Amino acid sequence: DADVTQTPRNRITKTGKRIMLECSQTKGHDRMYWYRQDPGLGLRLIYYSFDVKDINKGEISDGYSVSRQAQAKFSLSLESAIPNQTALYFCATSDSGFASGQPQHFGDGTRLSIL
Amino acid sequence: KNQVEQSPQSLIILEGKNCTLQCNYTVSPFSNLRWYKQDTGRGPVSLTIMTFSENTKSNGRYTATLDADTKQSSLHITASQLSDSASYICVVRPTPDKLIFGTGTRLQVFP
Repeated sequence: DADVTQTPRNRITKTGKRIMLECSQTKGHDRMYWYRQDPGLGLRLIYYSFDVKDINKGEISDGYSVSRQAQAKFSLSLESAIPNQTALYFCATSDSGFASGQPQHFGDGTRLSIL
Repeated sequence: KNQVEQSPQSLIILEGKNCTLQCNYTVSPFSNLRWYKQDTGRGPVSLTIMTFSENTKSNGRYTATLDADTKQSSLHITASQLSDSASYICVVRPTPDKLIFGTGTRLQVFP
């Protein structure tokens, strides 16, 4: 089984709909992140969480919200989806966050298309 | 402005050949630089990390170099295999709380 699992893997929906992307991990890491990847652009950070009671905005948080339900679960919501939120979304975890040389461990992504 | 630029954008090589991917950054300060491999339909996976004091580091057929003075890094792949076909992403960490991702180089290895 994958260490970082994202569901769904693919989603097509309509403008204005509420969408939730889920991420769960079995690595025991405290830190979890949500990124989006667009063609021609590097991965961009949406939100991150250093523990269950900690939520921080990334560089592109507008239009998104997150919930850290447990150490192992971090969900991303689009309250009212719009077409320019069409992208590949990745969840990642790390052992000790930004402040170390530890790598981030990524899920396999959710491909989201908003019509 | 902190940026990470990778070249080429895409590269096609024959199996068994060597190749070198480039990463130039205008990031300051500098903490470390990491190379990730991203297979199609998968998330990125770390290949290697370079800190300020390291010039060269190898991971099997992958060798990364870092020139902190010129702010350049390269990833050299030796004796390429079909499984090396992927995107390779350079990521620079300027401060403990920030990562800057390059746009990646897409490598295709043909038999």
